Amino acid sequence: DVKVTQSSRYLVKRTGEKVFLECVQDMDHENMFWYRQDPGLGLRLIYFSYDVKMKEKGDIPEGYSVSREKKERFSLILESASTNQTSMYLCASSSGQYTDTQYFGPGTRLTVL
Amino acid sequence: AQTVTQSQPEMSVQEAETVTLSCTYDTSESDYYLFWYKQPPSRQMILVIRQEAYKQQNATENRFSVNFQKAAKSFSLKISDSQLGDAAMYFCAYRSRNTGFQKLVFGTGTRLLVSP
Repeated sequence: DVKVTQSSRYLVKRTGEKVFLECVQDMDHENMFWYRQDPGLGLRLIYFSYDVKMKEKGDIPEGYSVSREKKERFSLILESASTNQTSMYLCASSSGQYTDTQYFGPGTRLTVL
Repeated sequence: AQTVTQSQPEMSVQEAETVTLSCTYDTSESDYYLFWYKQPPSRQMILVIRQEAYKQQNATENRFSVNFQKAAKSFSLKISDSQLGDAAMYFCAYRSRNTGFQKLVFGTGTRLLVSP
């Protein structure tokens, strides 16, 4: 079974703090994704990566950056957390094949006070 | 840009009954994939069913089936013999076949409530 894990299920941070969300997959997938999930808005893509050290902006990259130093790990960074970044963050991964499914992690619910 | 619309924020069904969740999408492309994902409460999102646009036959996975109407850009999910474990948020998603990065475009979701 594909396993995608995220470092925390719940996280509480203060405004202005630097926040790291970690995602690890164990299936040697080329592609990894970070989504943000908000009620009434569905999932919106923040960033994705199709290879180590490669990244592409998604639909809402402002206020976020990412890092992929190893194939299995994809980090989302909030350089200076703000209250409007309070949300559920979902990581996903998939293989490089066109038809492959995205596999999701359990999510991190981040609250910024 | 592609968009996906789920017009039903919430649906209710009784156990053993059938329910249909609606999804429409907008695209100028002819080759793409459509998905239904399920997100149970406090659990991971999982794929329910997938449809390739070039296939006319509707996809089926056990109690889950789709009604894919390409001309109408409609992709509804039918759940037969509903079970308590079907209670979840359901997301419809679109992915172009023309790009290699597998970017998914999601709808806003439909919460399905299942009562005994």
